[in-house]
Amino acid sequence: AQSVTQPDIHITVSEGASLELRCNYSYGATPYLFWYVQSPGQGLQLLLKYFSGDTLVQGIKGFEAEFKRSQSSFNLRKPSVHWSDAAEYFCAVGSGGSYIPTFGRGTSLIVHP
Amino acid sequence: DAGVIQSPRHEVTEMGQEVTLRCKPISGHNSLFWYRQTMMRGLELLIYFNNNVPIDDSGMPEDRFSAKMPNASFSTLKIQPSEPRDSAVYFCASSSVQGNTGELFFGEGSRLTVL
Repeated sequence: AQSVTQPDIHITVSEGASLELRCNYSYGATPYLFWYVQSPGQGLQLLLKYFSGDTLVQGIKGFEAEFKRSQSSFNLRKPSVHWSDAAEYFCAVGSGGSYIPTFGRGTSLIVHP
Repeated sequence: DAGVIQSPRHEVTEMGQEVTLRCKPISGHNSLFWYRQTMMRGLELLIYFNNNVPIDDSGMPEDRFSAKMPNASFSTLKIQPSEPRDSAVYFCASSSVQGNTGELFFGEGSRLTVL
């Protein structure tokens, strides 16, 4: 069975600082990997996804993530955080066999001015 | 294009009352998912449909919960009778099975408060 771990419940950064949110997955084959963002009072919105090919993927709002098979990780990064990035971030893993994604518990990003 | 549409956005009800949440998926999507989000449990998959047929309802917490999808453009999640512990945000999501990629499109959620 596939699973996702987001080790950090909360992350606090200053506006303009760089950001890295961690995600580790467990799955035997090559997974499909996703990062979703949830702003307060909103549904989840897809930030980016990895299916195959280049292991560094670019997403919306200046985010990127790197798939590292050796570490079973898919960490989300942004070089300079804006106050509007404050939200909940969810990592998810899916597979070709079962297209139902499994979500992590989420990481809450707090941005200080 | 219209996204996933959920109603109501907010519902406050008293314990014992029936609650019906509604969802209209994105046109052309043939998979529909109901999730529940709480602080304690995070995002839980309750049930999902494929081509209007319920595939896996193992996440439905109790017999008080039921879900239907009478056609490709409409689904309901019903709680009868409701209890305070059902208070949560309920999300509907849809996707296209084509490619089996697992990318979901979420509605804005229905926030349920049971007093």
